Amino acid sequence: QSVLTQPPSVSAAPGQKVTISCSGSSSNIGNNFVSWYQQLPGTAPKLLIYDINKRPSGIPDRFSGSKSGTSATLGITGLQTGDEADYYCGTWDSSLGAGVFGGGTKLTVL
Amino acid sequence: QITLKESGPTLVKPTQTLTLTCTFSGFSLSTSGVGVGWIRQPPGKALEWLAFIYWDDDKRYSPSLKSRLTISKGTSKNQVVLTMTNMDPADTATYYCAHRRGGDCYDYWGQGTLVPVSS
Repeated sequence: QSVLTQPPSVSAAPGQKVTISCSGSSSNIGNNFVSWYQQLPGTAPKLLIYDINKRPSGIPDRFSGSKSGTSATLGITGLQTGDEADYYCGTWDSSLGAGVFGGGTKLTVL
Repeated sequence: QITLKESGPTLVKPTQTLTLTCTFSGFSLSTSGVGVGWIRQPPGKALEWLAFIYWDDDKRYSPSLKSRLTISKGTSKNQVVLTMTNMDPADTATYYCAHRRGGDCYDYWGQGTLVPVSS
């Protein structure tokens, strides 16, 4: 069971917007930066968002991140079929002294 | 350009020790703030954080696996080695190494190496 909680799946139509939540606690999300990763089938994870809401070079502004208290959210607008993937949140847990990931969310673009 | 690549055995038997090597380029593990981490993913399951090592040799481990893991800088300046003792079929996974930036964020990942554990 993952320290961070994500919904197992979300879905939306092409062109629509979707949000993926990541719930944690004060020892992880509440007091640390959050990252989001996209994992396309059969490939390694790819960094989408870091430091809660920053995008690495090359990541379109359709992807956004936010945080409120002990929860973080990934937003994706203008959904494309190529966005179908598993999405993971990650952060540091100060109590554990270790990194932690969410259980992952499978995005289906209908 | 930062790249990382994992290498190791194609099959491990139960109770054996797994040794994985991460060979990287495009950065130096001697530079302040730089780190390399290991993350694994069992087939069809979620990512699991394992360990990381910092430029100053600071090391952190997953609490649940700490007794079985050792991370170290390799004999070559561009390598990091992860060992895991007493392997079990439940340890079957794709093992990734990744470049760690601040805030436990991993911005560059290797392609991963699948390690089956079976007798």
